[in-house]
Amino acid sequence: AQSVTQLDSHVSVSEGTPVLLRCNYSSSYSPSLFWYVQHPNKGLQLLLKYTSAATLVKGINGFEAEFKKSETSFHLTKPSAHMSDAAEYFCVVSDQTGANNLFFGTGTRLTVIP
Amino acid sequence: DTGVSQDPRHKITKRGQNVTFRCDPISEHNRLYWYRQTLGQGPEFLTYFQNEAQLEKSRLLSDRFSAERPKGSFSTLEIQRTEQGDSAMYLCASSPVGTSGREQFFGPGTRLTVL
Repeated sequence: AQSVTQLDSHVSVSEGTPVLLRCNYSSSYSPSLFWYVQHPNKGLQLLLKYTSAATLVKGINGFEAEFKKSETSFHLTKPSAHMSDAAEYFCVVSDQTGANNLFFGTGTRLTVIP
Repeated sequence: DTGVSQDPRHKITKRGQNVTFRCDPISEHNRLYWYRQTLGQGPEFLTYFQNEAQLEKSRLLSDRFSAERPKGSFSTLEIQRTEQGDSAMYLCASSPVGTSGREQFFGPGTRLTVL
């Protein structure tokens, strides 16, 4: 079975400081992992994905994530937070069967303080 | 705009009424998914279609829920005899068929409030 655990329900950072959103996964297979972002009143948008290629994945808006199999982690980072980064972030693992269903974490709300 | 669209964006209904939501996926995307997101939680899988065939349903999809994709294009999700516990955001996503790890493209969602 596949699942993800987001270790922080809420993260608050000052503008211009680094962002770290933590995610641990559980998967019976070599997983496909994603980070999605959800801004208020907007649809979910893909930030980046890992599909067994390079372990350091670069996404949009300066975000990146590193797949660490030994730690079963897929943490999301950004060197410098921007006010527009304030949103809900979801770590997601994909069902590796034919359905390719997505299993979402409970989300981390990122607040950026001016 | 060629993204996933959903209609309506908001729906308020009284308990016991039936409601129907529509999703128009990205053209040529074979797969269409429905998810439900309750307050403070991540989306949870409900069901998915490949073309017109409904291939998987979650245990969350009670008998009061039915989904269709009659011509392999748009899809509808109907909830009969709504209950207050059905209040949630209903999300639709589409993706091209292929190997695992394919990105799903999400619509803006339909927010259902059952009074």
